[in-house]
Amino acid sequence: GDSVTQMEGPVTLSEEAFLTINCTYTATGYPSLFWYVQYPGEGLQLLLKATKADDKGSNKGFEATYRKETTSFHLEKGSVQVSDSAVYFCALAHNAGNMLTFGGGTRLMVKP
Amino acid sequence: EAGVAQSPRYKIIEKRQSVAFWCNPISGHATLYWYQQILGQGPKLLIQFQNNGVVDDSQLPKDRFSAERLKGVDSTLKIQPAKLEDSAVYLCASSLQTSALNEQFFGPGTRLTVL
Repeated sequence: GDSVTQMEGPVTLSEEAFLTINCTYTATGYPSLFWYVQYPGEGLQLLLKATKADDKGSNKGFEATYRKETTSFHLEKGSVQVSDSAVYFCALAHNAGNMLTFGGGTRLMVKP
Repeated sequence: EAGVAQSPRYKIIEKRQSVAFWCNPISGHATLYWYQQILGQGPKLLIQFQNNGVVDDSQLPKDRFSAERLKGVDSTLKIQPAKLEDSAVYLCASSLQTSALNEQFFGPGTRLTVL
């Protein structure tokens, strides 16, 4: 079956540091890939997505590129802010069905 | 536009008791999902509805969990009887249709504690 593996946290960075959160997946076919974010006390919300190989999703300064050859979708941001502190989830879904398979989540803590 | 509504937000019960959760999706969204998120893990899909029909319930523990969406709008998830391992946050999500091109919008969740 499908699975998503993320780097374990917590990841602790200073403000303005570079962020990478690794994500790899196992799936048949060509799923769509997603990053969701859960801010403290709030619900899950979509951060960015990519629907085919070599697509780059981007939002709020975050980016991730769909790499089929390495089955990866790593999340990056050039300069993190304290307000980026949250739990980040990598996920995939097949286009027919839209049932999300999530990774375990990575907690990011950004210190001023 | 109102988001996905869930109630209650918190529930504490003893094992072997019953509990029900309610979800009202975004207006016009045909597809509704229930996920279980155990502390420290990612959400796991329990059941997916398209209008009032079940699309996938392969990961729903049917001996104790049931869900319905009778009129194709709001939905109820029930656990009877509850076990300690059912302690989790139960998330409801909705999307316009079942294609992965349609964003899923999540509600705030119901946190269940089974003692």
